Amino acid sequence: SQQGEEDPQALSIQEGENATMNCSYKTSINNLQWYRQNSGRGLVHLILIRSNEREKHSGRLRVTLDTSKKSSSLLITASRAADTASYFCANVPAGYSTLTFGKGTMLLVSP
Amino acid sequence: DGGITQSPKYLFRKEGQNVTLSCEQNLNHDAMYWYRQDPGQGLRLIYYSQIVNDFQKGDIAEGYSVSREKKESFPLTVTSAQKNPTAFYLCASSMQGYEANVLTFGAGSRLTVL
Repeated sequence: SQQGEEDPQALSIQEGENATMNCSYKTSINNLQWYRQNSGRGLVHLILIRSNEREKHSGRLRVTLDTSKKSSSLLITASRAADTASYFCANVPAGYSTLTFGKGTMLLVSP
Repeated sequence: DGGITQSPKYLFRKEGQNVTLSCEQNLNHDAMYWYRQDPGQGLRLIYYSQIVNDFQKGDIAEGYSVSREKKESFPLTVTSAQKNPTAFYLCASSMQGYEANVLTFGAGSRLTVL
């Protein structure tokens, strides 16, 4: 499979804690993206990090990219119950022209 | 408001019937995509179209068909040849250009075969 793989599959934390999700991929990429999906809804684009970037921030989100290890992490700081959702990493593998998604990490943030 | 509209949100089908899922966008995006999502799984690409009157098969095109007669519209037909059509279907679109693969998604259509 050309899909990325997220880890862990599921994560349960308390409000206020930080949540870290990891993504590994197999081939060289131009960029890597993270998306969020609330239950039964469409995906929403969160952040894109280019292959020449190592870290990127957007609000409470921090994304890192290590191209030597073919891995990325998404950190959500000071989690809220509203952050409960599934989070997917996605990229365009070498030789492909369309976005390929991992299976996602399901995050549950309890009040 | 710009966005992608999928309809219907829920659809029930008897075995042997074809059904068509609608996807309309007013974002002036050139490319449109159909993905299938099964419980606990990632998204799998069914078909995509980068320009009007042209489309390409994705990873799981068998049993599906599409058309792209207008820039705004990319309907998906789930045919009776699709052996396991019960799933959540997501339509998406993107601009052309450097970050052409940043997708905007619709809210999804859930198809259940009875």
